[in-house]
Amino acid sequence: QVQLVESGGDLVKPGGSLRLSCATSGFPFIDYHMTWIRQAPGKGLEWISYISSRGDTIYYADSVKGRFTISRDNVKNSLFLQMNTLRAEDTAVYYCAIRVAATGGLDYWGQGTQVTVSS
Amino acid sequence: EILMTQSPATLSVSPGERATLSCRASQSISSNLAWYQQKPGQAPRLLIYGASTRAIGIPARFSGSGSETEFILTISSLQSEDFATYYCQQYNNWPQTFGRGTKVEIE
Repeated sequence: QVQLVESGGDLVKPGGSLRLSCATSGFPFIDYHMTWIRQAPGKGLEWISYISSRGDTIYYADSVKGRFTISRDNVKNSLFLQMNTLRAEDTAVYYCAIRVAATGGLDYWGQGTQVTVSS
Repeated sequence: EILMTQSPATLSVSPGERATLSCRASQSISSNLAWYQQKPGQAPRLLIYGASTRAIGIPARFSGSGSETEFILTISSLQSEDFATYYCQQYNNWPQTFGRGTKVEIE
């Protein structure tokens, strides 16, 4: 079955960097587009980045553009999010998600990884 | 960026009653709208995509309607497991955007 497992979340100081990973299994990773979404404590969902199946099309939310970089390794079936110049407002649970069976929306999500930016 | 506005922010409903949740887009998104349910400590679950198509395994008491800028999620008879927060998401334009959510609580 489809599995998405995020890792790499941690406590980091403002201005620091972190790299999140999303390990996948149960589907042909190379054929699917991937998305990162985050959720700040007590807040709603925020879409932050998308990468196409081949990695040739990428989009970012304005809130992370220029600081975050999405990438993927189609051999290791993994998705990544390199986060630089972190701010307190980046504190959130970060989810990776995909669309497999539906023709819209995101029908599979990981359990999330916690990123805390604080001095 | 398309702004998604959900109302109300909180909806108090008794079990067995109908719940009607609204989502409005700041510009036309055709039918490129999804609804999600999220319970505390869990990842969101896709309920509806294409504004009105139920995702796999979603009970028939959940239905979606609307197009362009106005969308509705209806839960026909609330069950105890339906008390949660619901989010709409547009995927017509980049960046994709979510509404702020409607919390459905027990009256």
